[in-house]
Amino acid sequence: DIQLTQSPSFLSASVGDRVTITCRASQGISSYLAWYQQKPGKAPKLLIYFASTLQSGVPSRFSGSGSGTEFSLTISSLQPEDFAAYYCQQFNSYPLTFGPGTKVDIK
Amino acid sequence: QVQLVQSGAEVKKPGASVKVSCKASGYTFTDYAMHWVRQAPGQRLEWMGWINAGNGNTKYSQKFQGRVTFTRDTSASTAYMELTSLSSEDTAVYYCASPVAATSWYFDLWGRGTLVTVSS
Repeated sequence: DIQLTQSPSFLSASVGDRVTITCRASQGISSYLAWYQQKPGKAPKLLIYFASTLQSGVPSRFSGSGSGTEFSLTISSLQPEDFAAYYCQQFNSYPLTFGPGTKVDIK
Repeated sequence: QVQLVQSGAEVKKPGASVKVSCKASGYTFTDYAMHWVRQAPGQRLEWMGWINAGNGNTKYSQKFQGRVTFTRDTSASTAYMELTSLSSEDTAVYYCASPVAATSWYFDLWGRGTLVTVSS
């Protein structure tokens, strides 16, 4: 199975900050990586797929990059509605796996 | 409106089974796969497998093989997930998710989730 790790696990930031979350895969997954945002009690929301393609309707302050084993999600200017948990997911091979999540909280 | 509507919360005793439904609307149900993902309290999302809503073919995560069954009712545009031999470790929110506008196995459409609590 492909293991995904994320760093940091927890991030405290202020509105307007630039924030970067890293996801690492235990083996190469090309660009078969997605990012989701999840708020408490809600289903995940797709933000980015194929590592860097922005999902329709997602604000342009979100961006993704990387390939192979190292990926990142960047929020260029954190907004109040962005405080949430973020998960990466690989879809290179079965079983599909998710990272442990990064919780972004208000400083 | 494109959406997935899941059945309500369940409370089960250890050893019992649970069956969760996921009704699709706003798109052609049989044109897309339906995946199932669960999330235990405070834990990461965990993929369980998927069913081809058109022909009923399934693929299960090895972790759940033998204990989970996916089915669908095309006349009702509804997918089902049945999990047997429940233990406390199965307490989780269970989501159905579909790659409706996706070109691979990432998920742009999710149900709201069904909380399954396993407790004696």
